[in-house]
Amino acid sequence: EVQLVESGGGLIQPGGSLGLSCAGSAFTFSSYAMTWVRQAPGKGLEWVSATSSGGGSTYYADSVKGRFTISRDNSKSTLYLQMNSLRAEDTAVYYCAKSGSGYSSGWFDYWGQGTLVTVSS
Amino acid sequence: QSVLTQPPSVSAAPGQKVTISCSGGSSNIGNNYVSWYQQLPGTAPKVLIYDNNKRPSGIPDRFSGSKSGTSATLGITGLQTGDEADYYCATWDSSLSAGVFGGGTKLTVL
Repeated sequence: EVQLVESGGGLIQPGGSLGLSCAGSAFTFSSYAMTWVRQAPGKGLEWVSATSSGGGSTYYADSVKGRFTISRDNSKSTLYLQMNSLRAEDTAVYYCAKSGSGYSSGWFDYWGQGTLVTVSS
Repeated sequence: QSVLTQPPSVSAAPGQKVTISCSGGSSNIGNNYVSWYQQLPGTAPKVLIYDNNKRPSGIPDRFSGSKSGTSATLGITGLQTGDEADYYCATWDSSLSAGVFGGGTKLTVL
C-alpha cells in the first residue's frame, strides 16, 4: 500500500524557518512528480509547490516563491519543503501528494496525512 | 481569491443528483486536464475524478466528471449521507506554471 508520511511541522515564530519532510513507500518514488498542498484552518486547499520526478524542475505558487524551496532525495524516497521567512498566513496543514500521471502538472492519487505548521509569536 | 471558481455550497436530498461547477480560463481548464477531490472532515483529500472524466479504481460510478471549454462539472447521483464533504476541482495553469484549486464546495445531503 502506497504511503506518504509527513513530518517536521510545529510552532514557529514569524520570520523563522522550518523544514518539512515526506517519506514515501511502496512505490517507485523516483518515477513520480511530487507536490506540496496546504490548507489553512477552516479554508480550502492551496497548491504550494511541485517537483518533477528527477528534481530538475520545480514550480512554486506566487505566495511562496522566493521563500520556500522544494527538493527531493530519490535515494531516500523523501520529499522536502524548506520554508523561510515564515508569515502568519503560512499557518496551515501541509500535505504531500503523489502525482497520478507522473508529471508535475498531473492529478494526485495519494496524499499524506498532513503536518500542521503554526506561525505565531 | 481562487483562480478556479466553485459555488460555496450545494445541497440535495438523499437519493437525488447534484452537480458542482468549476469555472476557469483558457490557461487552466481550457487547456489542461481537470481532477476532482473529496475531503471528508478531518481527513486528507481523496481523488474522485482525473483527466476530466476518469474514475480511479474503487470510486463508484455515482461520481462523474465532464469538461466543456473553460468549465468542468462534477456530478454525483444517488446521494448518500456519507457524501457530505467538501469537494475541490484542480488543474494546472500554464500561464502561472503552477497548480490551482477551486475554492471548494460544501455538499450537504439534507
